[in-house]
Amino acid sequence: DAKTTQPTSMDCAEGRAANLPCNHSTISGNEYVYWYRQIHSQGPQYIIHGLKNNETNEMASLIITEDRKSSTLILPHATLRDTAVYYCIVGTYNQGGKLIFGQGTELSVKP
Amino acid sequence: AAGVIQSPRHLIKEKRETATLKCYPIPRHDTVYWYQQGPGQDPQFLISFYEKMQSDKGSIPDRFSAQQFSDYHSELNMSSLELGDSALYFCASSFTLGQGGPSGANVLTFGAGSRLTVL
Repeated sequence: DAKTTQPTSMDCAEGRAANLPCNHSTISGNEYVYWYRQIHSQGPQYIIHGLKNNETNEMASLIITEDRKSSTLILPHATLRDTAVYYCIVGTYNQGGKLIFGQGTELSVKP
Repeated sequence: AAGVIQSPRHLIKEKRETATLKCYPIPRHDTVYWYQQGPGQDPQFLISFYEKMQSDKGSIPDRFSAQQFSDYHSELNMSSLELGDSALYFCASSFTLGQGGPSGANVLTFGAGSRLTVL
């Protein structure tokens, strides 16, 4: 079973920041938080991952709460091309390395 | 940069036929994963291979088998196809460096997928 809970859908205005929340209250100490997205019928695309600290790369920022029970993916300036299903996944290589996809958030970026 | 290559991209088969999907991982990646995504569904993990040995198994039907070859490419064989096997099949690869990896994180890179239609 998926270990995360995400909103089913969200809307965001083009050019504004998109903040996608994720609850992972049962996360264990060595599990990472990964974010992937899937643009209609394409292969899932890696966005970012983190363990404890906040992370930022060229695509997004990941904010992880101090108790690690939830996180937020931030797309700072959403564009129409960011419309996709966003998946928050927790896991570690020691569990086999596979990613277990749960129900993600369908983000619609509107003009 | 080289990506994960899947072939064929589209495949149409009749019920009870057999299909084979191929996956060529990113060079130097040692682990391959297979996922199935039915219409309107989330990707479901099927099976994975590390250094040519099966490393994990998910909800893969007994009619399906897979292997990883010496050149690290992988093939997913599906027999006695059923209508419900119609789906997108994704392959992903990662560079694992053994248990725990270099940092414990394991980032997967996915291919574009193979769409199987069973008529």
